[in-house]
Amino acid sequence: AQSVTQLDSQVPVFEEAPVELRCNYSSSVSVYLFWYVQYPNQGLQLLLKYLSGSTLVESINGFEAEFNKSQTSFHLRKPSVHISDTAEYFCAVSGQAGTALIFGKGTTLSVSS
Amino acid sequence: GAGVSQTPSNKVTEKGKYVELRCDPISGHTALYWYRQSLGQGPEFLIYFQGTGAADDSGLPNDRFFAVRPEGSVSTLKIQRTERGDSAVYLCASSPGGDEQFFGPGTRLTVL
Repeated sequence: AQSVTQLDSQVPVFEEAPVELRCNYSSSVSVYLFWYVQYPNQGLQLLLKYLSGSTLVESINGFEAEFNKSQTSFHLRKPSVHISDTAEYFCAVSGQAGTALIFGKGTTLSVSS
Repeated sequence: GAGVSQTPSNKVTEKGKYVELRCDPISGHTALYWYRQSLGQGPEFLIYFQGTGAADDSGLPNDRFFAVRPEGSVSTLKIQRTERGDSAVYLCASSPGGDEQFFGPGTRLTVL
């Protein structure tokens, strides 16, 4: 069975500081990995994904995540956060494209000035 | 274009009652998923459809939960004899068949 662990439930940071949101997964098969974001009063949106190929994936708003098979991790990073990045971030895994997503419990990122 | 829509946005019911939650996927999306999100938790998979058929219903917690998608578009999640523990936000997502799922805003179900 697959599972996802998000190690931090809340991450408070100041604007322009770097941030890392940690995600570890367990799976006995190949995985597809995702980060979804939920802004206040909005639905879940895909932030970035790893399916195959380059282990470093990037989003259009400056986030990046690196797939590390040996450490079974897919941590999310941003070198300089903005107030607008305040949201709930969910890491998810699936065994193959198009099947059910298994989500972590989420990390609340709070960016203050 | 229009995204995934879910109705109602909020539903309050009494313990023991029957409820139906509706999901309208993005037009042309063949796959449709239902998840449940309890307070402080991530979404938990319930069931997904490819076309009209349930491809995986392993997440349905018990036989009080049932979902249909008779014409391969709109889906209805049905909960019989509701219990207080069923209170959660029910999320629907659709996909054109690839790896990205597009989520709706959810239906908040409260069982009194």
